[in-house]
Amino acid sequence: AQSVTQPDIHITVSEGASLELRCNYSYGATPYLFWYVQSPGQGLQLLLKYFSGDTLVQGIKGFEAEFKRSQSSFNLRKPSVHWSDAAEYFCAVGAVPGGSYIPTFGRGTSLIVHP
Amino acid sequence: DVKVTQSSRYLVKRTGEKVFLECVQDMDHENMFWYRQDPGLGLRLIYFSYDVKMKEKGDIPEGYSVSREKKERFSLILESASTNQTSMYLCASSLGRGSSSGANVLTFGAGSRLTVL
Repeated sequence: AQSVTQPDIHITVSEGASLELRCNYSYGATPYLFWYVQSPGQGLQLLLKYFSGDTLVQGIKGFEAEFKRSQSSFNLRKPSVHWSDAAEYFCAVGAVPGGSYIPTFGRGTSLIVHP
Repeated sequence: DVKVTQSSRYLVKRTGEKVFLECVQDMDHENMFWYRQDPGLGLRLIYFSYDVKMKEKGDIPEGYSVSREKKERFSLILESASTNQTSMYLCASSLGRGSSSGANVLTFGAGSRLTVL
């Protein structure tokens, strides 16, 4: 069964600093990988996705993520954090054809941004 | 813009009441999902549906049921609400299995925060 681990429950950064949120997955083949963001009181919004090809993917709001097969990781990065980036971030792994098509979500990482 | 709309953002109910949470999507998506979100536990899948009148149990179906009479609408039902069902409920939808990449991309509603007293 597929699984996702987000080892950091909370991350605190200063505005303007760089950010990296960690995500490790377990899956028997090359998975589909996602990052979603949830602003306070809202549903989840897709930030970016990886299906195949270039392992560095660009998303909305200046975020990027890199798929590293050897490390089973899909870490989310941003070079300079803005106060509006404070939110909950969820990594998810989906299934390729033949699977259940139901993404599995990590438990989330809460990002706190200090002025 | 495509949307998943959850009819109630905030509900307060009493123990034992029957609760309906409604979700409507306007994207002609085949798949619809109900998740429960609790602090520290992330998203847990309650039920999902691949088609009209079709439903499958997720990871935590106990105490819940669902209904999908029309493609665009997926309802979550708490037959007899209990205090441990106080939570944020998220509805989501995605394309059908004919598009494996699309089927994995979920569009979420804004959530329904339920408090059971």
